[in-house]
Amino acid sequence: DAMVIQNPRYQVTQFGKPVTLSCSQTLNHNVMYWYQQKSSQAPKLLFHYYDKDFNNEADTPDNFQSRRPNTSFCFLDIRSPGLGDAAMYLCATSRDREGARETQYFGPGTRLLVL
Amino acid sequence: AQSVTQLDSHVSVSEGTPVLLRCNYSSSYSPSLFWYVQHPNKGLQLLLKYTSAATLVKGINGFEAEFKKSETSFHLTKPSAHMSDAAEYFCVVKDSGYSTLTFGKGTMLLVSP
Repeated sequence: DAMVIQNPRYQVTQFGKPVTLSCSQTLNHNVMYWYQQKSSQAPKLLFHYYDKDFNNEADTPDNFQSRRPNTSFCFLDIRSPGLGDAAMYLCATSRDREGARETQYFGPGTRLLVL
Repeated sequence: AQSVTQLDSHVSVSEGTPVLLRCNYSSSYSPSLFWYVQHPNKGLQLLLKYTSAATLVKGINGFEAEFKKSETSFHLTKPSAHMSDAAEYFCVVKDSGYSTLTFGKGTMLLVSP
């Protein structure tokens, strides 16, 4: 089945220690998104890639970076995690981005814990 | 600009009774509207979507929603709740001119035996 896969499902890191979360997709979608979701809140978009074109949200901290080496994979790098970065991180994909009909398909998420 | 208001942060029902989760939206263009469900520690699963075809949209697991332009509403309903429906539900709007989704704050559905 075509899907969005996130690894690991749970990640524990130390305060200030860089961490990388990964996302892969078998849907062959052009767009990949990273969201941060804190407890009891809606997901918040951090950035997205349209093919190789990187689009950062204005309020995304510099501490968060992303890489997309190919169509299938996208990585979220947190350079120096703080306690406030503990959250669920969701990856999503869509075929295109501008059309209203475009549906985003979400992965299962990675729960990040910062000690 | 686009926005979404989910009118209830929590809804409690008994198993076997109807479910109503309310959502109002604001949009400058012809929007698409989505309902996603999120079970604890899981990702978001698409329940259904409206994309300017039929105003009554049927989704998975017996859920449906009706797009009412005059009321700017897109309420989610299910005739009979099941224990497995207990989860958080997000109403989401997307305008054709925007590349991003706008989420409501979510409604937690609690189902009691």
